[in-house]
Amino acid sequence: KAGVTQTPRYLIKTRGQQVTLSCSPISGHRSVSWYQQTPGQGLQFLFEYFSETQRNKGNFPGRFSGRQFSNSRSEMNVSTLELGDSALYLCASSPRSMAKNIQYFGAGTRLSVL
Amino acid sequence: AQKITQTQPGMFVQEKEAVTLDCTYDTSDPSYGLFWYKQPSSGEMIFLIYQGSYDQQNATEGRYSLNFQKARKSANLVISASQLGDSAMYFCAMREGPNTGNQFYFGTGTSLTVIP
Repeated sequence: KAGVTQTPRYLIKTRGQQVTLSCSPISGHRSVSWYQQTPGQGLQFLFEYFSETQRNKGNFPGRFSGRQFSNSRSEMNVSTLELGDSALYLCASSPRSMAKNIQYFGAGTRLSVL
Repeated sequence: AQKITQTQPGMFVQEKEAVTLDCTYDTSDPSYGLFWYKQPSSGEMIFLIYQGSYDQQNATEGRYSLNFQKARKSANLVISASQLGDSAMYFCAMREGPNTGNQFYFGTGTSLTVIP
């Protein structure tokens, strides 16, 4: 079974631009979560989608948005990029949005904002 | 209050020795799951072990075991017979149940270095 696939692996953007990251979950998984990881803040939860609906949202500005498609693939968009958005963005999938469900992570997209 | 606390920023262990990585958590939800993940320098988060709040026995997965002390809200990871490949960041995480929104929380991590 293929794991969680994130594309692209690396991105370089400049301030003010926007970026879209993609995540394909494990086959059969309907929940997809996004996280931002930085050396200073650690791993921070962005949002979770389940069956195309946003279930949970972390404490991030509206510049961060996401969506999930009917095949459970998810995209995350960041508009008006700031230098502080430079981070490793991790996507995780699980069968459902439940406490006992293990989240499996992709390799991440490393975004650098110049 | 922090949902997940890992008080050891860095740990060293001799190869083939056992090591315990500490984790305490905070939740009022009776239903929750506790997880440990390993993150090598490549960046990918690798699932290691899971413990449910209602599980009576401590979870074990190969060389990994979770020392679950519910009353103390502690979920320490024990790695037995450490190997050089165990050098990585280790994150403790908790997912709360539906009462509190099914949110996932991560600790700040412990950097483990295995010394030959």
